Amino acid sequence: DQQVKQNSPSLSVQEGRISILNCDYTNSMFDYFLWYKKYPAEGPTFLISISSIKDKNEDGRFTVFLNKSAKHLSLHIVPSQPGDSAVYFCAASISGNTPLVFGKGTRLSVIA
Amino acid sequence: NAGVTQTPKFRILKIGQSMTLQCAQDMNHNYMYWYRQDPGMGLKLIYYSVGAGITDKGEVPNGYNVSRSTTEDFPLRLELAAPSQTSVYFCATSYLNTEAFFGQGTRLTVV
Repeated sequence: DQQVKQNSPSLSVQEGRISILNCDYTNSMFDYFLWYKKYPAEGPTFLISISSIKDKNEDGRFTVFLNKSAKHLSLHIVPSQPGDSAVYFCAASISGNTPLVFGKGTRLSVIA
Repeated sequence: NAGVTQTPKFRILKIGQSMTLQCAQDMNHNYMYWYRQDPGMGLKLIYYSVGAGITDKGEVPNGYNVSRSTTEDFPLRLELAAPSQTSVYFCATSYLNTEAFFGQGTRLTVV
């Protein structure tokens, strides 16, 4: 039973446009959410996080939106750059007291 | 600071062999984790530790063992390697159960 779902295995976006990556979760106890970025042959690297007390968190070109009622979060990348091409993982935990649960990832390709 | 160091980077094992995947961190984090990533899948938690001397099972612990005798090291042991354990293994650490920092991974093939 997947608690964190990323239903789009892949996404292609033109350079300069917006990339929107989506994530759904089923466990209503989750209250801390993170996005990780992973390049081939490297470990995942932390990108941005959001706590359930917020509905938006922004860091440069990256913004995460949280819709608690829909159990949905999304990562927006604006503008997208070729270097953003990677696999993006959504992860969740309960009050920072449980290990992170990851989705299957979405492969983003930014085309020049 | 090296962060999280995993050794080896690659390994081929025969069925039934054993090996230990090493993980060392210099971030002074209490929490350490082992995840595995199969093709097209997310990261699945194998074992984790909240401090020296304390370990707990994750989602997929069968076929693995861990120990945590120091804050810095968290080795993962495979006793009888099976083809189903072919995967990429990631070690990670965190200060609390917040953003985790990952090693580069160990790619293991069991033939």
